[in-house]
Amino acid sequence: DIVMTQSPDSLAVSLGERATINCKSSQSVLSSVNNENFLAWYQHKPGQPPKLLIYWASTRESGVPDRFSGSGSGTDFTLTISSLQAADVAVYYCQQYYSTSTFGQGTKVEIK
Amino acid sequence: EVQLVESGGRLVQPGGSLRLSCAASGFTLSNYWMSWVRQTPGKGLERVAHIKKDGSEKFYVDSVKGRFTISRDNAKNSLYLQMNSLRVEDTALYYCARDADRGGDLDFWGQGTLVTVSS
Repeated sequence: DIVMTQSPDSLAVSLGERATINCKSSQSVLSSVNNENFLAWYQHKPGQPPKLLIYWASTRESGVPDRFSGSGSGTDFTLTISSLQAADVAVYYCQQYYSTSTFGQGTKVEIK
Repeated sequence: EVQLVESGGRLVQPGGSLRLSCAASGFTLSNYWMSWVRQTPGKGLERVAHIKKDGSEKFYVDSVKGRFTISRDNAKNSLYLQMNSLRVEDTALYYCARDADRGGDLDFWGQGTLVTVSS
């Protein structure tokens, strides 16, 4: 199985500042068929189901604010929140869907 | 509007069985792969089962193989998870989720149903 490792486990960022979450896969999730990275990011708030933010590593899901962006390729990926808002407090997960599916352990984002 | 509504979760003793259901609406279920994903405090999110559009292919995480069975009834717009030989470590919030038609990312999720395995 592909192991997904996120860093850090938690971070505290001031309102309006940048938040950066990293995700590393134990093997490449880049497809040679369509040249896409099979990597998604989700936001999970207490009492709500996870919400898809990013797919194909860098494509924002419809309706997701443009302060959220994804980057990276192969085995190393990043989710960036360019200007943290109070509504962004949540746990964020990366997921690979290249080979079955596995999630990272989650990164908790809080306000400093 | 896409909706997924899970039901069937409850307190059950170790070794017991449970059947979870997911009622889908707002889209044509037969056009999508579907998944059951669980959330546990210790392990975060874990996709436990995955089923092809017509039910002809099914995949399971190793920890539930031989104990859980995923199925679907597209005519009834429903997804199911039969859970047998339940263990304490199966305690979790179980979500029904739709696989996006472009790949294996999960674009819609239900609110979840809580399964507690305890004596």
